[in-house]
Amino acid sequence: DAGVTQSPTHLIKTRGQQVTLRCSPKSGHDTVSWYQQALGQGPQFIFQYYEEEERQRGNFPDRFSGHQFPNYSSELNVNALLLGDSALYLCASNTWDNEQFFGPGTRLTVL
Amino acid sequence: KQEVTQIPAALSVPEGENLVLNCSFTDSAIYNLQWFRQDPGKGLTSLLLIQSSQREQTSGRLNASLDKSSGRSTLYIAASQPGDSATYLCAVKGNNQGGKLIFGQGTELSVKP
Repeated sequence: DAGVTQSPTHLIKTRGQQVTLRCSPKSGHDTVSWYQQALGQGPQFIFQYYEEEERQRGNFPDRFSGHQFPNYSSELNVNALLLGDSALYLCASNTWDNEQFFGPGTRLTVL
Repeated sequence: KQEVTQIPAALSVPEGENLVLNCSFTDSAIYNLQWFRQDPGKGLTSLLLIQSSQREQTSGRLNASLDKSSGRSTLYIAASQPGDSATYLCAVKGNNQGGKLIFGQGTELSVKP
């Protein structure tokens, strides 16, 4: 049984570019959450998707957007990248309000 | 607004010691609390989940307690090993905050052989 998977593992972009990160949830899970973790900090909640709709959103600008597909996989899109967007992006999946399981993350570096 | 704090930020102990990591939260209206382990540059591994109605959970050498009234949780690690070296994060899910987890900044643990 595969756990949460994310792609790509690492990504390097320049300021102003756009990036798309992908997440496949654990089998049987229908809810996907995205978190941003800056170096030395705890993860910060970006948003959560359930039934292909954004269920909840954290304190992130509109440059951060997402999508959930019918197979429950999800994408995180970030437009107009800033240096401060450099971080580890974590995806988590669960069923409704149950325990969240995290993927290995995508390391984004913005130059 | 819920805030989660972890003390200490870093801890170094010799192998074999029993140790306690602390987590405090400002709003006692939580749905559950999770403890995670994170190896450098990696994702999070869930260690223990405590529901708001529970007082503690145990898994192997790990024991986590929850005291909602005082806004505290502790993670007890028995007979520490070098392989326990990692960052430990606690996260709370609020009753009225949807599905998001609110994390502390973590405690970086180093267990010396």
